[in-house]
Amino acid sequence: GQQVMQIPQYQHVQEGEDFTTYCNSSTTLSNIQWYKQRPGGHPVFLIQLVKSGEVKKQKRLTFQFGEAKKNSSLHITATQTTDVGTYFCAGQGGKLIFGQGTELSVKP
Amino acid sequence: SQTIHQWPATLVQPVGSPLSLECTVEGTSNPNLYWYRQAAGRGLQLLFYSVGIGQISSEVPQNLSASRPQDRQFILSSKKLLLSDSGFYLCAWSVRGTRGAEKLFFGSGTQLSVL
Repeated sequence: GQQVMQIPQYQHVQEGEDFTTYCNSSTTLSNIQWYKQRPGGHPVFLIQLVKSGEVKKQKRLTFQFGEAKKNSSLHITATQTTDVGTYFCAGQGGKLIFGQGTELSVKP
Repeated sequence: SQTIHQWPATLVQPVGSPLSLECTVEGTSNPNLYWYRQAAGRGLQLLFYSVGIGQISSEVPQNLSASRPQDRQFILSSKKLLLSDSGFYLCAWSVRGTRGAEKLFFGSGTQLSVL
């Protein structure tokens, strides 16, 4: 069945450092979404990528969708303490399948 | 604007007791509705989804059931809770007709502890 793998599981960075999380699907996706879950909170939709090779930016966040539409990445430039949380990708290939998430901690 | 309400926020239940978690959506009609479980604060597992009143699809066999008695109401139930039912339960909705490209909007979740 369709699987979505996300790495790394944890990432600890110093404030100001960059952060990247990667998402890989076992099947070609129609779209991929990214969500952020703050500690103790619920997942919040960040963005959806649909086109092959698509790149979208939200301030310090850059989202990419691979050419083959099987992988994606989220890159945060110059992390801040407000970026703390778990970032989930969710791949749509029929069903919407969530990755296991990457937990980001930022040391001030 | 659309809002989703989920309650209670926390629940402690003994093994073998029944469960009822409720979720309601406001500000939209005919939403797709979902129940997810998040174990140990990590990955999201889809339990049930519904595209309309009385229409429930179960994703995994389990000790739980779901019902949609009204368009914007989704209920998660169990007759007898197991220890393994502990977890963070999240209700979510998406715009009807977007299955295949839905964006999910989650409720604030219920932390269930079965003791």
